[in-house]
Amino acid sequence: QKEVEQNSGPLSVPEGAIASLNCTYSDRGSQSFFWYRQYSGKSPELIMFIYSNGDKEDGRFTAQLNKASQYVSLLIRDSQPSDSATYLCAVNGGFGNEKLTFGTGTRLTIIP
Amino acid sequence: SAVISQKPSRDICQRGTSLTIQCQVDSQVTMMFWYRQQPGQSLTLIATANQGSEATYESGFVIDKFPISRPNLTFSTLTVSNMSPEDSSIYLCSVEDPGQGGSYGYTFGSGTRLTVV
Repeated sequence: QKEVEQNSGPLSVPEGAIASLNCTYSDRGSQSFFWYRQYSGKSPELIMFIYSNGDKEDGRFTAQLNKASQYVSLLIRDSQPSDSATYLCAVNGGFGNEKLTFGTGTRLTIIP
Repeated sequence: SAVISQKPSRDICQRGTSLTIQCQVDSQVTMMFWYRQQPGQSLTLIATANQGSEATYESGFVIDKFPISRPNLTFSTLTVSNMSPEDSSIYLCSVEDPGQGGSYGYTFGSGTRLTVV
C-alpha cells in the first residue's frame, strides 16, 4: 500500500519569504512525483513534476527529489498572497502503474 | 494540455437515488481516473478506466456502488449508486496529459460537488 505523507499544516509564511513544503513516500518503486495546487472550491492544477534526483526549477518554484531518502519538497520563493492554497504531493509508479497516490495536503497561507 | 469537460458541476440528490457524472476529453487518452475528495480531505482514487475493458477499482470501492463506463477514448462516466449522505463529496476525473518535450502531468476536470440529503 503506497503512502504519501506531507508535513502537517496549516503553514503561514510572510509575503516575500520562502515557503517550504515537504513530502515523504513509502514505495521505493515510485518513479514520478508531482506537486499540485488546489484553491478552495477548485480542482487541482499541476505546478511541477520531477523524476530525477536533484533540483528542478520553474520560475519561483523549485522541486527537490531525494529518492534515497524517499523525500520530495517544493520551495516557493518570493511568496505571494496568490500562493495561498492547499498543496498536494502525488506520486506514481511509472509505466504500467500510472495511477497517482496523493498526500494529505498542506494548507499554505501567505501573510501580506 | 488536455481539456476536460466534466458535468454536472454540482447536484443535490435524495438518498437512495443515483447520479451519473460525465467527463469528455478533447483528445484521445488511454486511461481515465476517477477520484473522490471528501470535505477537507485529499484525493482518493476510486478506479482507473481503460477503453474496452473493465475498470480497475481500488480497495474500498466496488463496481456495484460506482459503476464506470468507458465507451471510447475521449469519454467516461461514473455513477454513484444508491446514494447516502456519506457519498457527499467532490468527484473528479483525471487523465494523463503528455506535454511538449516528453513532459507530462495529470489534468483534472473541474469536479462535481455532490450533496446527498
